[in-house]
Amino acid sequence: GAGVSQTPSNKVTEKGKYVELRCDPISGHTALYWYRQSLGQGPEFLIYFQGTGAADDSGLPNDRFFAVRPEGSVSTLKIQRTERGDSAVYLCASSLNLQGELFFGEGSRLTVL
Amino acid sequence: KQEVTQIPAALSVPEGENLVLNCSFTDSAIYNLQWFRQDPGKGLTSLLLIQSSQREQTSGRLNASLDKSSGRSTLYIAASQPGDSATYLCAVDRGSTLGRLYFGRGTQLTVWP
Repeated sequence: GAGVSQTPSNKVTEKGKYVELRCDPISGHTALYWYRQSLGQGPEFLIYFQGTGAADDSGLPNDRFFAVRPEGSVSTLKIQRTERGDSAVYLCASSLNLQGELFFGEGSRLTVL
Repeated sequence: KQEVTQIPAALSVPEGENLVLNCSFTDSAIYNLQWFRQDPGKGLTSLLLIQSSQREQTSGRLNASLDKSSGRSTLYIAASQPGDSATYLCAVDRGSTLGRLYFGRGTQLTVWP
């Protein structure tokens, strides 16, 4: 597609469940970023990939969060044993390279009941 | 840790006014500063990028300035229009990776006809 695509756009789950959020970057973009935006806050960095490898995962809040990008294109953010505090909009962005302009998707809104 | 503050948190003005949005950051060792726009339920759109060697950037009715020594940036919007209504986010990076950003909470702008 022409832009960064994120699915699902909305996800409601129960506390303790497992969730996967998908990001399909712009074709040819080697860098991919995940951010989390809580209500009334600015986005917070979680992790970024250069190609298939996680170049910086220092923003992941704890070991319940994990992200993969096995073929250097689509990425999946995985959250285990979800907690109510995980409720937020998860934003994905991609760029041509690590010095390129970021293009953001519309986000996946996660609600943990 | 880098802290980014945006003032005001919200702004409501009539159409045609010239506006100033402020951003400050605590660590002046930044490489770049960016201003983004976020519409409700949408992702972020990059408006202006000021590299560390620059002092300002202009795009149409938007002008952004950067003073690294004082840790401040200003976004100036000329002749505001209802279509400018959105949340404006300021973000800085701290390394060669453009996408590893620290965001402020944003200024929510409403321009009424």
